[in-house]
Amino acid sequence: DAKTTQPNSMESNEEEPVHLPCNHSTISGTDYIHWYRQLPSQGPEYVIHGLTSNVNNRMASLAIAEDRKSSTLILHRATLRDAAVYYCILRDPGGSQGNLIFGKGTKLSVKP
Amino acid sequence: ETGVTQSPTHLIKTRGQQVTLRCSSQSGHNTVSWYQQALGQGPQFIFQYYREEENGRGNFPPRFSGLQFPNYSSELNVNALELDDSALYLCASSLAVSTGELFFGEGSRLTVL
Repeated sequence: DAKTTQPNSMESNEEEPVHLPCNHSTISGTDYIHWYRQLPSQGPEYVIHGLTSNVNNRMASLAIAEDRKSSTLILHRATLRDAAVYYCILRDPGGSQGNLIFGKGTKLSVKP
Repeated sequence: ETGVTQSPTHLIKTRGQQVTLRCSSQSGHNTVSWYQQALGQGPQFIFQYYREEENGRGNFPPRFSGLQFPNYSSELNVNALELDDSALYLCASSLAVSTGELFFGEGSRLTVL
């Protein structure tokens, strides 16, 4: 599976937008880009995923570069509850369905 | 809709012992996967079960084994515990769809002394 690169940590102020970057220069044409987050003392939680087009849901937006070598998770208005470790993961549809390769992720801190 | 539940939440074992961790899948989900998360690291895939058979495995030795039952619940067994097995063990359930999201439980925290 292709690897992803994320900053170790980021800080944001409450109620401001947050842009979490992810580089995946070796992505294959069939890899989906998934984002999960893990709040303290909890299991990971699905956030959003996409293939080529930008995606929006109630939690966040995912912006995918035209060449698909990078993507950005956008939280439109950060809240204290958004403080978590965010993982960018590439999923090969042909692989084991339950096999997500997690890196160390980006630890997001939100200041009031 | 009931989420993924794991038990026990915390447990302490000594080196050489055996441990069984349990997971109840989210309602309707037929695929279960298990992960190990060491402190400060991302989760690592141990294995996946579908239709009561293991159908995917990460880089873990055979002393890590599992079961899936007809109701899709699952167990993770670890024999001959080592100190490095101390970690958070996470269970995730999903439908057998290749791009589907995984639903994780809150994990079982294992400490090996």
